Amino acid sequence: QSVLTQPPSASGTPGQRVTISCSGSSSNIGSNTVNWYQQLPGTAPKLLIYSNNQRPSGVPDRFSGSKSGASGSLAISGLQSEDEADYYCAAWDDSLNGFWVFGGGTKLTVL
Amino acid sequence: QVQLQESGPGLVKPSETLSLTCAVSGSSISGYYWSWIRQSPEKGLEWIGYIYYSGSTNYNPSLKSRVTISVDTSKNQFSLRLSSVTAADTAVYYCARSTYYYGSGTYFHDYWGQGALVTVSS
Repeated sequence: QSVLTQPPSASGTPGQRVTISCSGSSSNIGSNTVNWYQQLPGTAPKLLIYSNNQRPSGVPDRFSGSKSGASGSLAISGLQSEDEADYYCAAWDDSLNGFWVFGGGTKLTVL
Repeated sequence: QVQLQESGPGLVKPSETLSLTCAVSGSSISGYYWSWIRQSPEKGLEWIGYIYYSGSTNYNPSLKSRVTISVDTSKNQFSLRLSSVTAADTAVYYCARSTYYYGSGTYFHDYWGQGALVTVSS
């Protein structure tokens, strides 16, 4: 199983606001920032949020991120049908020599 | 724009070595960390390791004994070798660039290749 814990699924109707959680530990999210990725079917993950709450250029401001303690959260407001995808969180883990860890992914369904 | 392209055999026999190369265009290899990440239904996304353009490496502790990542700055590409493969190594393998964010002193994977499916089977 993945080091970071995400709910396997989430859903919402168009226009709604949904949040996806990502739970870690003191060695990863507790001491480092969280990044979020969106993966559409058959494509590579795409950077959505970096450093907890920063959006790359081109990412709509409907997407926002936050972090509290050893947990991160992704919020999507004004849900649209094209937001239906898998979402993954990632963080650097300081254990041993350090390594990247990911969440197991959350499949978002737009009803 | 920055593009990464994985290439290599799509089928590898058990106990043999998996080899992939990632060709980078639109960005110099210099100044960045370059990662290999794989994805399978069983394990999800799993970071394999990274290499800095200078050649320094860091590997996932769970794969460290079998992984070698190398870089060829003259060709603007980097490579992965994973030895003694088993069916559990069947996955889509991605190469990705890590960029540094000065605001918080952290990194993120901003560009990914399209992925290469590697199947381990006899």
